[in-house]
Amino acid sequence: GAVVSQHPSRVICKSGTSVKIECRSLDFQATTMFWYRQFPKQSLMLMATSNEGSKATYEQGVEKDKFLINHASLTLSTLTVTSAHPEDSSFYICSVLGGGAQETQYFGPGTRLLVL
Amino acid sequence: KQEVTQIPAALSVPEGENLVLNCSFTDSAIYNLQWFRQDPGKGLTSLLLIQSSQREQTSGRLNASLDKSSGRSTLYIAASQPGDSATYLCAVPNTGNQFYFGTGTSLTVIP
Repeated sequence: GAVVSQHPSRVICKSGTSVKIECRSLDFQATTMFWYRQFPKQSLMLMATSNEGSKATYEQGVEKDKFLINHASLTLSTLTVTSAHPEDSSFYICSVLGGGAQETQYFGPGTRLLVL
Repeated sequence: KQEVTQIPAALSVPEGENLVLNCSFTDSAIYNLQWFRQDPGKGLTSLLLIQSSQREQTSGRLNASLDKSSGRSTLYIAASQPGDSATYLCAVPNTGNQFYFGTGTSLTVIP
């Protein structure tokens, strides 16, 4: 399956700053990537679908101006949390939609964001 | 909208026991169902994927079954080990390959 990396693995920032999280597909050209968010003791929730070369599709309740997604190449999608606040502190996970008949998703290791 | 539920929310068993985790989903028109493992603070590890046409998949001590018509899947773990302690998530994709995750079962295997 595809190998997916995320950078950074954890980040601490001050309230009001912006944070960029990178998701890379290391061995697979990914037309579609997904961004998830997981709050403590809760399951993953899909935030947005990132399509290479086009605008991301956001789930209901996710502010597109706050969570900027850029998928400029087939191996890289970035999520920028703008003007981060403590309530944005969460675990952010990206995934890559694999090819083939099964079309499974391959998940990155996640990024822990703490906003002070 | 697809809703995925997992029971129980938490489970604690002594080492060596066989156990069953349950997953139910409201929309039976699924393409596949996937079971994941998540260790604390970590990403997801895919355990098993069952296509909608399949009834079960096996990998080592893990066996997952799927009953599409009733909207249920089970993950059977044989001879549990302390290293199996983790949160187990089931997930189903919609037509856009966006996954709907269950609420998870937190498993603790006591040595």
